Amino acid sequence: KAGVTQTPRYLIKTRGQQVTLSCSPISGHRSVSWYQQTPGQGLQFLFEYFSETQRNKGNFPGRFSGRQFSNSRSEMNVSTLELGDSALYLCASSLASASGGDTQYFGPGTRLTVL
Amino acid sequence: QKEVEQNSGPLSVPEGAIASLNCTYSDRGSQSFFWYRQYSGKSPELIMSIYSNGDKEDGRFTAQLNKASQYVSLLIRDSQPSDSATYLCAVNKHGNTGKLIFGQGTTLQVKP
Repeated sequence: KAGVTQTPRYLIKTRGQQVTLSCSPISGHRSVSWYQQTPGQGLQFLFEYFSETQRNKGNFPGRFSGRQFSNSRSEMNVSTLELGDSALYLCASSLASASGGDTQYFGPGTRLTVL
Repeated sequence: QKEVEQNSGPLSVPEGAIASLNCTYSDRGSQSFFWYRQYSGKSPELIMSIYSNGDKEDGRFTAQLNKASQYVSLLIRDSQPSDSATYLCAVNKHGNTGKLIFGQGTTLQVKP
């Protein structure tokens, strides 16, 4: 079974621009979670999507948004990029349960650099 | 107090030894516990999950959970240089769908 895929793998943007990242979950997985990883803050939860709906959200500003399509593929968007948005953005997929304790499998990540 | 705490290390062990990695968490509502391994420049890779008190073994890896002490650990037996990586402890709270809270990670170095 193919793993989680993310595109693009690397991005370089300038301040003020916006960016869209894409994630395709493992076949049959219906939940997609997004994380930001930086050396200073570690891995931080952005949001989770299930059945095309945002089911959970972390403590990030509204510039960070996402969506999920009917095939469970997900995208996240960051508008008005700031230097501090430079990070590894990770997508993880899981089978969906109401309690939320499912095992998550991570994609390779998108390395975003903001200049 | 951080929600999930790990000693950042580095933890250095000789090849063939047992490596012991520890993690504490603050929320007693936590229900699911995970260990991930992350090599430099790569994404986290699942090692084990554990949900009940006690030990869970998978090959050279053993996860231990003690909910009363709010403590989870990972033992790596017969450590190999290829085990050198950052080990991330992650916790999920019941009902908090899709959200894993990660510790800062412990860097393990296995010396030949």
